[in-house]
Amino acid sequence: GNSVTQMEGPVTLSEEAFLTINCTYTATGYPSLFWYVQYPGEGLQLLLKATKADDKGSNKGFEATYRKETTSFHLEKGSVQVSDSAVYFCALSRSNDYKLSFGAGTTVTVRA
Amino acid sequence: DTAVSQTPKYLVTQMGNDKSIKCEQNLGHDTMYWYKQDSKKFLKIMFSYNNKELIINETVPNRFSPKSPDKAHLNLHINSLELGDSAVYFCASSPSGLAGSGELFFGEGSRLTVL
Repeated sequence: GNSVTQMEGPVTLSEEAFLTINCTYTATGYPSLFWYVQYPGEGLQLLLKATKADDKGSNKGFEATYRKETTSFHLEKGSVQVSDSAVYFCALSRSNDYKLSFGAGTTVTVRA
Repeated sequence: DTAVSQTPKYLVTQMGNDKSIKCEQNLGHDTMYWYKQDSKKFLKIMFSYNNKELIINETVPNRFSPKSPDKAHLNLHINSLELGDSAVYFCASSPSGLAGSGELFFGEGSRLTVL
């Protein structure tokens, strides 16, 4: 079946540090890949996505590239801010699927 | 206007009670979902309805019963609450399954605490 594995947290960083959260997936065919973010006390919201191999999703300074050869979709940001403190979820879906499969979430705390 | 709204936001109740959580979306989406998030932030899908028809029913105790009176509403009723039901329950919606943007729109969550 489809599954997503992301690095365990929590991750604690200083402001302006580089952030990487690893995500690898298992799926048949060509899934779409997503990163969702959950800020404290809120629901999840889509951060970025990529729908085919070599696509790069980007938003709010975050980037992730769909790597089919390594079945990965790592999230990166070059210089984090305190406001980036949140839980980040990697997810995948198959085309015409009704379900997103989420990773376990990675809690990121950025200190001033 | 809130796109996906859930009520109540907080619910504290005793074991054995029955409770409901309501969800409404004003996005015109066809598909709605219930997810359960445990204390470790792990998200698990419970149910999904597409145009009032149940399309996903994961391994969930039958004490949990979803109801979709119309495609804008998806309610969750829980009978005989147990301690392990304590979690944050998220409602979400998407247009026609995950077609198009593939984006789920989440509500703010309903935190259920069973004592």
